Amino acid sequence: DSGVTQTPKHLITATGQRVTLRCSPRSGDLSVYWYQQSLDQGLQFLIQYYNGEERAKGNILERFSAQQFPDLHSELNLSSLELGDSALYFCASSAPSANTGELFFGEGSRLTVL
Amino acid sequence: GQQLNQSPQSMFIQEGEDVSMNCTSSSIFNTWLWYKQDPGEGPVLLIALYKAGELTSNGRLTAQFGITRKDSFLNISASIPSDVGIYFCAGQLSAGNNRKLIWGLGTSLAVNP
Repeated sequence: DSGVTQTPKHLITATGQRVTLRCSPRSGDLSVYWYQQSLDQGLQFLIQYYNGEERAKGNILERFSAQQFPDLHSELNLSSLELGDSALYFCASSAPSANTGELFFGEGSRLTVL
Repeated sequence: GQQLNQSPQSMFIQEGEDVSMNCTSSSIFNTWLWYKQDPGEGPVLLIALYKAGELTSNGRLTAQFGITRKDSFLNISASIPSDVGIYFCAGQLSAGNNRKLIWGLGTSLAVNP
């Protein structure tokens, strides 16, 4: 158990819909990262938040957005869903003092768009 | 986005065999990391390397940070069925900057008991 909690574990929805994925980082971690994993693309970095503020952006589509709340949990919002958005979405957190790329991943949310 | 060249893409071996996989890049990294992803779970950090030439072991796993800082390898000795999973390498472009983690596409390992 990494200490990072993600909900829901599985989500099935239709094209055009909007979903929200939730992540609670490890206790004491200030950074939250979102990754997308699809079969042919490996782990794609989407976005990072640090203590409530956006720190870095990766390959995140404009239809996607995220935020980190004062209690440090984070939400990833995916809208106008397309079939190609079906993937595993991982959240990870890191310790405040970690400058080394050591991430702790949740178990992921599997999104299926029909 | 930028990715590392990780090879092989997949391996199917017999229990007890040794395994070797590697990652290369055209960029210089300050840190190399190896993660393992079990089926249905998120990646878990196996080994982190911080200095060029560094050789680090974690049980049956050994990883090295290449001298050129552009490559790393991971060896698994005497493989067992629970070694099954996907192994990812990741390189960090500059110290103190988690957002600059670059990932390989993974090596899928299957072990025949």
